[in-house]
Amino acid sequence: QVNLQESGPGIVKPSQPLSVTCSVTGYSITTSYYYWNWIRKFPGNKLEWMGYISYDGSIYYNPSLKSRISITRDTSKNQFFLQLNTVTTEDTAVYYCARVSWGYFDYWGQGVMVTVSS
Amino acid sequence: DIQMTQSPASLSASLGETVTIECLASEDIYSNLAWYQQKPGKSPQLLIYDASSLQDGVPSRFSGSESGTQYSLEINSLQSEDAATYFCQQHHDYPYTFGAGTKLELK
Repeated sequence: QVNLQESGPGIVKPSQPLSVTCSVTGYSITTSYYYWNWIRKFPGNKLEWMGYISYDGSIYYNPSLKSRISITRDTSKNQFFLQLNTVTTEDTAVYYCARVSWGYFDYWGQGVMVTVSS
Repeated sequence: DIQMTQSPASLSASLGETVTIECLASEDIYSNLAWYQQKPGKSPQLLIYDASSLQDGVPSRFSGSESGTQYSLEINSLQSEDAATYFCQQHHDYPYTFGAGTKLELK
């Protein structure tokens, strides 16, 4: 059974970087042809796809975030990571990691709430 | 970016009724559409992919259809556990985009 679990700081100060980890069990993140994604849900319900790192390590970011986002991975720990730089209160959201299969998200983590506040 | 206009924003229905939720894509997405159900405090769960294919384990009272760039999710014989927020998502082109959500309440 594929399981994804996010972990993160809870609160981040404005202008600081936000870092969230997704730990995957039950499936290797290097298995072809799956993509490992970050999605966030803002207060008010809007969902935004942020980007992915693929099974072979290729990366694609949402152009709206391209200058601030970085997605990396540690294959030895079967984890992938989100870093979002220079955050503002508008980055307050629930951050989810999810697996993409043929374009749709078939497994999601439970999500981690990150609040940007001084 | 492809815009997904979802309607209605909310609806209220009774047990046993049938409801329809719609998403209008701003351009042709060639059936590359998924529907998700999300309950409070939980992550979204995949219901339908490729516009009309039912995800394993999802009850058959959920169905998806399309007409041009308009996509629909139909829920038949509403059950109490169907109270949730429903989202559409296009997976035709990057960046993937979502509808704004429909909150379904049971009377």
